[in-house]
Amino acid sequence: GNSVTQMEGPVTLSEEAFLTINCTYTATGYPSLFWYVQYPGEGLQLLLKATKADDKGSNKGFEATYRKETTSFHLEKGSVQVSDSAVYFCALSPYSSASKIIFGSGTRLSIRP
Amino acid sequence: SQTIHQWPATLVQPVGSPLSLECTVEGTSNPNLYWYRQAAGRGLQLLFYSIGIGQISSEVPQNLSASRPQDRQFILSSKKLLLSDSGFYLCAWRRTGTGGDQYFGPGTRLLVL
Repeated sequence: GNSVTQMEGPVTLSEEAFLTINCTYTATGYPSLFWYVQYPGEGLQLLLKATKADDKGSNKGFEATYRKETTSFHLEKGSVQVSDSAVYFCALSPYSSASKIIFGSGTRLSIRP
Repeated sequence: SQTIHQWPATLVQPVGSPLSLECTVEGTSNPNLYWYRQAAGRGLQLLFYSIGIGQISSEVPQNLSASRPQDRQFILSSKKLLLSDSGFYLCAWRRTGTGGDQYFGPGTRLLVL
């Protein structure tokens, strides 16, 4: 079946530190992969996505590369800010028109000034 | 452009009372619609999704139900709330026929006392 596994949180970093949040997936076929971000008290927002192997999604200084050989889609940012504090969800969409998006359990990120 | 609305934003209800949460989407037609629940500090749990008017798929057996009386309206209901129904309820939409992005509403925070 389809599933997403992401690293347990919470993750606490100092401002300007390098960020990696690991995400691996299990899927049949060629899913699309996503990272969503949820700021406190809000709904989820799409952060970035990649639709095929070796694609790199990027937005707001965050990047993630679709690695089919390792079935991974790790989220990275070179220098985090306090405003990046949020919960981050990795997700996949199976290659099906009426399909659901499968979400990981979320990783809470806290950035210290 | 497309927008998604949810109301109410916050709700406090006694155990055993009924529930009705509403979600509407503007600016698109025939979307796939989704209801999720997020318990405090937890990930997303898909409750229901719908690919068309009157077509509802239930993911988790529970005392909640969903209906889609119009193309862009999705309602989450309960006849008798339980304490365990407390949480953050998120509605989302997605274009039919693609493996694309899912867009979330602002959420409804429900507290059952």
